[in-house]
Amino acid sequence: GNSVTQMEGPVTLSEEAFLTINCTYTATGYPSLFWYVQYPGEGLQLLLKATKADDKGSNKGFEATYRKETTSFHLEKGSVQVSDSAVYFCALWGRTGGFKTIFGAGTRLFVKA
Amino acid sequence: GAVVSQHPSWVICKSGTSVKIECRSLDFQATTMFWYRQFPKQSLMLMATSNEGSKATYEQGVEKDKFLINHASLTLSTLTVTSAHPEDSSFYICSARFEGLETQYFGPGTRLLVL
Repeated sequence: GNSVTQMEGPVTLSEEAFLTINCTYTATGYPSLFWYVQYPGEGLQLLLKATKADDKGSNKGFEATYRKETTSFHLEKGSVQVSDSAVYFCALWGRTGGFKTIFGAGTRLFVKA
Repeated sequence: GAVVSQHPSWVICKSGTSVKIECRSLDFQATTMFWYRQFPKQSLMLMATSNEGSKATYEQGVEKDKFLINHASLTLSTLTVTSAHPEDSSFYICSARFEGLETQYFGPGTRLLVL
């Protein structure tokens, strides 16, 4: 079945450092891919998405490119801020998954001033 | 963007009582709503999918009689935790989706503590 694998956290970075959070997926067909962010004590917010191969989703300085050849959707940001501290979830949605969103385990990011 | 609200945001109740959590889509009609449960430092666990006007579809291992879901209108779904016990304490999150579209919009979550 469909699944999402994220790098384990926590990830601790200094402010202005480069961020990469790896995400790979297993799915049949052509799923849509997402990154969601969850700030402490809150629900999830959609950060960015990509719906087909080679699409790049971007928002608030974050980017991720849908790579079908490597079945990956890695999240990157060139310069993180303290306010980026949160938990990041990679997710996929597709017809073969019964239209249910499949989430990765989440990666906690701590950014130090 | 689309807004989903949940009420209450926090609830503390005694063991054996029932608790109702509301999920509303404020600016769009949601044909499908989802209920998730999240344990500390863990990912979201899908509990059930509800479509307006029909019975909810529960995931394997989720007790239907324990977690009653009603999706009475295109903007409202409710989750009732019946005869709550301390092990039901958790963070419950709902989400809503437009028909046929892939993006889900999440509510802010409801933290339930059963004493």
